[in-house]
Amino acid sequence: GQQVMQIPQYQHVQEGEDFTTYCNSSTTLSNIQWYKQRPGGHPVFLIQLVKSGEVKKQKRLTFQFGEAKKNSSLHITATQTTDVGTYFCAGINTNAGKSTFGDGTTLTVKP
Amino acid sequence: NAGVTQTPKFQVLKTGQSMTLQCAQDMNHEYMSWYRQDPGMGLRLIHYSVGAGITDQGEVPNGYNVSRSTTEDFPLRLLSAAPSQTSVYFCASLRGPGSPLHFGNGTRLTVT
Repeated sequence: GQQVMQIPQYQHVQEGEDFTTYCNSSTTLSNIQWYKQRPGGHPVFLIQLVKSGEVKKQKRLTFQFGEAKKNSSLHITATQTTDVGTYFCAGINTNAGKSTFGDGTTLTVKP
Repeated sequence: NAGVTQTPKFQVLKTGQSMTLQCAQDMNHEYMSWYRQDPGMGLRLIHYSVGAGITDQGEVPNGYNVSRSTTEDFPLRLLSAAPSQTSVYFCASLRGPGSPLHFGNGTRLTVT
């Protein structure tokens, strides 16, 4: 079945440093979604990428979808303490009607 | 709109007990699903539904039952709780395939 791998599992940064998490699927995806989960909270949808090679920005966050639609990345520029949490990617296969989540990357930011 | 509402927020069960985790959504979403989240293992799909009266198994369905008698409600039943079912359970709804998931606040379940 479809597998989605996400690295790294943990990332500790100093406030102001950049952060990147990577997501790789074993199969070609219809689209990919990114979610953020604050400590003790529930996952909240951030963005969806659909097109091959797509790049989207949300303020300091940059999301990319690979040309082959099998990998994606989330990059945060100049991290802030409000960025702490776990970032999940979810690979979507609309033919199967299912979302497969990566294991997440937990970001901690030292002020 | 309340979105996706899960009850209870916390629950402690003894091995062998049964219980139902409630999930309701008021967004008129056709699709609903249940996930469990264990430390370091992300979100794993238990069961999902693509509409009232239709359910299907996800990645880790054993020990759980679901039903979908209405569009709004999607309860998850634990038939005979086991310590391996200690986890955080999230219910989610979505408009259709490929749409963003809207998660409830979760139920933290401990089985002793």
